[in-house]
Amino acid sequence: EDQVTQSPEALRLQEGESSSLNCSYTVSGLRGLFWYRQDPGKGPEFLFTLYSAGEEKEKERLKATLTKKESFLHITAPKPEDSATYLCAGRSGAGSYQLTFGKGTKLSVIP
Amino acid sequence: KAGVTQTPRYLIKTRGQQVTLSCSPISGHRSVSWYQQTPGQGLQFLFEYFSETQRNKGNFPGRFSGRQFSNSRSEMNVSTLELGDSALYLCASSLIMEGAGGYTFGSGTRLTVV
Repeated sequence: EDQVTQSPEALRLQEGESSSLNCSYTVSGLRGLFWYRQDPGKGPEFLFTLYSAGEEKEKERLKATLTKKESFLHITAPKPEDSATYLCAGRSGAGSYQLTFGKGTKLSVIP
Repeated sequence: KAGVTQTPRYLIKTRGQQVTLSCSPISGHRSVSWYQQTPGQGLQFLFEYFSETQRNKGNFPGRFSGRQFSNSRSEMNVSTLELGDSALYLCASSLIMEGAGGYTFGSGTRLTVV
């Protein structure tokens, strides 16, 4: 059974204090590791897809990396508007478009 | 470019009733997936449709069903509602190509069962 585990559950940062969110996965024949951001009352907003170990992608203050067992979302010099729940999801082998989600990390950035 | 549209945004239903939720995908997207989101379980996969065919189904009882129409719009139905069905129901659409930007979610339908 595919599993995705995110840590920590919640993280409070001061504005400008960089940190990383962790996503550990056991997904059969991984065909993509996805990161999403979700604001209260809204649907998840797509951030990144990573496909192979060693791959990295960046967007503004966010950088996602992938190893064979984990993915990290690095947040550099965060701002209050980065406060949200960050979700990680894996898609398993060929022919499956089902995403297995972790329970998310709730990030709060304090001014 | 219009996003994924889900209707209605909010619903309140009584135990035992049934409900139908609607999802209009992004134009050109032929794959539509449904997820249930609750505080305790997070996002859980319900089912996925492509070209009017259900390709995957999650571990939910048969009270949960869905369908997709020829224009890719999708509906899901929950019969004999239970209190535990209260959740945010999310629809996602995608191009079925690698690197096509992932799955785009709608804002969801908040279902409350009383």
